Amino acid sequence: LAKTTQPISMDSYEGQEVNITCSHNNIATNDYITWYQQFPSQGPRFIIQGYKTKVTNEVASLFIPADRKSSTLSLPRVSLSDTAVYYCLVEDNQGGKLIFGQGTELSVKP
Amino acid sequence: DVKVTQSSRYLVKRTGEKVFLECVQDMDHENMFWYRQDPGLGLRLIYFSYDVKMKEKGDIPEGYSVSREKKERFSLILESASTNQTSMYLCASGIGGRNQPQHFGDGTRLSIL
Repeated sequence: LAKTTQPISMDSYEGQEVNITCSHNNIATNDYITWYQQFPSQGPRFIIQGYKTKVTNEVASLFIPADRKSSTLSLPRVSLSDTAVYYCLVEDNQGGKLIFGQGTELSVKP
Repeated sequence: DVKVTQSSRYLVKRTGEKVFLECVQDMDHENMFWYRQDPGLGLRLIYFSYDVKMKEKGDIPEGYSVSREKKERFSLILESASTNQTSMYLCASGIGGRNQPQHFGDGTRLSIL
């Protein structure tokens, strides 16, 4: 069964680059790795998704090594409004279960 | 913008009651999901529906059932509520595979007394 591991919390300062890594073994070989952002009292919001190598959009980059046993969400130049919980989501390689990470609580300080 | 609306933000019910949580999406998405979110446990999938009247069990379906009579509406039913079902419940919708981007509602915080 796939298992995901993320740091529980991270601290940063405005303007810094933040990298959050999710370790995930036994993930489906033909499926995506997806990251979500969640603010208090709101549902998670899709940030970015990738299959391999690097994906970049207007808010983040996602780095996935060739073995796909981990992925790193990169947030460039964070601001106070990036303070949130970030989750990775993968699909298990047996039975296709969706597995959310435990979430990383990012705190951005001025 | 996709909108996923959950009928209640807060709900308080008593042990043994039958509880209905409703979710409506306005983007004609095939897939709909129910999760519960608990501190330290993250999000766990309860049920998934990929079409009207079609459903699949998620990780923790025990004590729950679902209904999808119309494409836009997905209901979660607690057959006989128990205190260990006190939680935040999140509904989501999407298209394509299950791990395609999901659009979430803002959740229903359910307390079972």
